[in-house]
Amino acid sequence: GAVVSQHPSRVICKSGTSVKIECRSLDFQATTMFWYRQFPKKSLMLMATSNEGSKATYEQGVEKDKFLINHASLTLSTLTVTSAHPEDSSFYICSANGLAGGEQYFGPGTRLTVT
Amino acid sequence: AQSVTQPDIHITVSEGASLELRCNYSYGATPYLFWYVQSPGQGLQLLLKYFSGDTLVQGIKGFEAEFKRSQSSFNLRKPSVHWSDAAEYFCAVGLWNNDMRFGAGTRLTVKP
Repeated sequence: GAVVSQHPSRVICKSGTSVKIECRSLDFQATTMFWYRQFPKKSLMLMATSNEGSKATYEQGVEKDKFLINHASLTLSTLTVTSAHPEDSSFYICSANGLAGGEQYFGPGTRLTVT
Repeated sequence: AQSVTQPDIHITVSEGASLELRCNYSYGATPYLFWYVQSPGQGLQLLLKYFSGDTLVQGIKGFEAEFKRSQSSFNLRKPSVHWSDAAEYFCAVGLWNNDMRFGAGTRLTVKP
């Protein structure tokens, strides 16, 4: 149980285009989902927290107009990187809390490369 | 300010030797504590977690961790390291239904 999937696992896009990453909780309902970014050989940095049906809360320094987060249902959150640039290339990881809160369950990550 | 510190960026141990990875935290209250392992290019795998109760926590793959409130520490240990344990290890802390904060990570190399 408690499986979180991400799609796609890898994506390459051209500079200036937008790319959407999906995060799904497969066997549980997630009241809260989190989006992290991980630079090479670095730790995970929390980008934003999203609760189903409400606006995401972004961490300081994260551009909300660039990283659009939608949490339309209890099993799906999406992160859209708009007008992507090479510096947006990174490993993006989502996680989800169950309805009871507590532990976060992590997705396998999405490797984004912007050329 | 809330923070998680993993003092060791890189540790090398011989296969079969014991291992201890350090983690210290600074939080207003006792948070929930986690250890994750990440292989290159992969996501995170939960090794173990501490919410409350017994301060010595057993995890998967033979790992254990001990919560010491007086030292604000949650060190990860394994009595005998295997070559397959080579990976990046992250300590994380969080509050109930809230975001998690990760340490910088410790890269473990295992010598044959």
